[in-house]
Amino acid sequence: SQTIHQWPATLVQPVGSPLSLECTVEGTSNPNLYWYRQAAGRGLQLLFYSVGIGQISSEVPQNLSASRPQDRQFILSSKKLLLSDSGFYLCAWFSYNEQFFGPGTRLTVL
Amino acid sequence: AQKITQTQPGMFVQEKEAVTLDCTYDTSDQSYGLFWYKQPSSGEMIFLIYQGSYDEQNATEGRYSLNFQKARKSANLVISASQLGDSAMYFCAMGGDTGNQFYFGTGTSLTVIP
Repeated sequence: SQTIHQWPATLVQPVGSPLSLECTVEGTSNPNLYWYRQAAGRGLQLLFYSVGIGQISSEVPQNLSASRPQDRQFILSSKKLLLSDSGFYLCAWFSYNEQFFGPGTRLTVL
Repeated sequence: AQKITQTQPGMFVQEKEAVTLDCTYDTSDQSYGLFWYKQPSSGEMIFLIYQGSYDEQNATEGRYSLNFQKARKSANLVISASQLGDSAMYFCAMGGDTGNQFYFGTGTSLTVIP
């Protein structure tokens, strides 16, 4: 069965520090992968999606970036975090008629 | 551009009653999928049900059914026989059939009253 991992589960970082969130998928090959952010009490905002290794599409301009170095690995990064980057970050992958989510990373920028 | 609208920020339902959560969408795509997710307070996103734009029958999954009205561009979620564990945020989402992009509504907070 397919499994999606995200780490860390929670993270507290100071403003201006770098960020690296990792997402890996098991049990499938060449998945479409997604990064979402959810602000407190809000809906999900699509940040990036990837249809393959090295292929990244950005949905919104921001100080975040994404990379896909391997087929089942998707990384979300920032060189300098802003206060507004706080939120719940979810990685997901898409199958024909389902989108599966990882457990999420709760990021607090202080 | 695609857009998903959920107009009910909060809903209350009596235990064992049915409840309908509204969702309307806007797209120029001919082929697309509509999804509903449940997000309990733990934060995990739980997939509930899927409806393809070419599916003629309304999707059902246990106590969940999707009332799909293509001409009105609505995809309402119906939960029958509500349970206390159904209390959560519910999100409607739409994606193209290639899975390249997904768009979520702002969510509806459902509270089941004993």
